[in-house]
This record gives sequence, C-alpha cells and structure tokens, in this order.
Amino acid sequence: KNQVEQSPQSLIILEGKNCTLQCNYTVSPFSNLRWYKQDTGRGPVSLTIMTFSENTKSNGRYTATLDADTKQSSLHITASQLSDSASYICVVIGSGTYKYIFGTGTRLKVLA
Amino acid sequence: NAGVTQTPKFQVLKTGQSMTLQCAQDMNHEYMSWYRQDPGMGLRLIHYSVGAGITDQGEVPNGYNVSRSTTEDFPLRLLSAAPSQTSVYFCASSGTGLGYTFGSGTRLTVV
Repeated sequence: KNQVEQSPQSLIILEGKNCTLQCNYTVSPFSNLRWYKQDTGRGPVSLTIMTFSENTKSNGRYTATLDADTKQSSLHITASQLSDSASYICVVIGSGTYKYIFGTGTRLKVLA
Repeated sequence: NAGVTQTPKFQVLKTGQSMTLQCAQDMNHEYMSWYRQDPGMGLRLIHYSVGAGITDQGEVPNGYNVSRSTTEDFPLRLLSAAPSQTSVYFCASSGTGLGYTFGSGTRLTVV
C-alpha cells in the first residue's frame, strides 16, 4: 500500500534554532516529492518539489533532501522564526498519476 | 488575484441537509480536486477532474457528488449531510507539470 509517514508528529523549538523533519514513503513507482507548509486555517502552500534525480533543494531557510534508494526525505529549517509555526506536510506523487499521497504532517511550534 | 477561491469559509448543517461547496480557479488549470482534512489524518482525495466534463472518484467519494461543466468551476455537493462529514474541505487545482494550488478551505460542521 502506498504510504507516507512523517516524524515527529509535533515539535517545539526556540526561535533561532534549527530543526529537521522526516518523511518516509513506500510509494512506487515514484515521480516526485513535495513539501508543503500549512498555516492554521489556511490551505497548504508548496515549499519544494523534488524529482527522482534530485538530492537537495533549497527555498530560503528551507532545505529538502531526498534519498530515493531508502525512500526518505527530510526538511531542514535553519534559524527558525515565529512565522515558521505551522504544519509541514510531505506529499509523494507516483509515476503516471495526478494522485498525491499525503503524510499526516508535522506540527511545528516556534517559541520566542 | 489568481488562485483558487472556495466558498463558504464556514458552514453548519443539520443532519440530512444538502449543500454545495463552491470552488473556482482562474489559472486555466486542467486538473481540479477536492480533499477533506481530518485531525490526525493526511488529506484524503474525495473526487477529482482532469478536465471539463470529466470526473472520477478518489479515496473517499461516498456521500459526495461533483460535476465539471467548465474549466473554472468544480463544485462539491453533499446530498444528505452526516456527522461523519464534519471536516475541513480543500479544493485544489494544477496545470500540467505544476504543483497543486490549494484554496483556503471550508470548515463544515454537521450536527
């Protein structure tokens, strides 16, 4: 069964600290993997998109990594800010399909 | 502003009532879909459409109907609301090779 699992479920860090969120998936064949940020009460917004051949992709303070062999991805947030408080969702898209497989997300809270 | 517009933002229904959640996009995207988001679960696909006149069922289609008469609009109908349909509903659209653009969501409570 195609699945996407994220860890941790929730995380609290102090402003200015770094953190790393994990995503493991079993989707095969694989097309691409995306990380979304979802603020409370809003729809998800795309942070990064990674294809099979990409290992790392950055978007400002967000850096995503992908290991297609072990089917793992991570999202690293550098120098966290209060505005980073949100849920971060890992999404995997299988080959030849429009259908996305969503993880349950990691809820990040950044404290002052 | 270009994007996906959902209405209403909030709705309370009584069990057995019907309603339509509206979704419109102005990006000429071919693909549109409806998801529901429940606590502790990933977004689950209800119905999707790959173009005007074409719709198909997703993972959790029971209790919901959709139609796609135009490229821009993709309404979701609840024929007889049930408490199990209490959820946050998101409409999303994408063009070929592009990622999803999500609407801001509709929070539905069925009492």
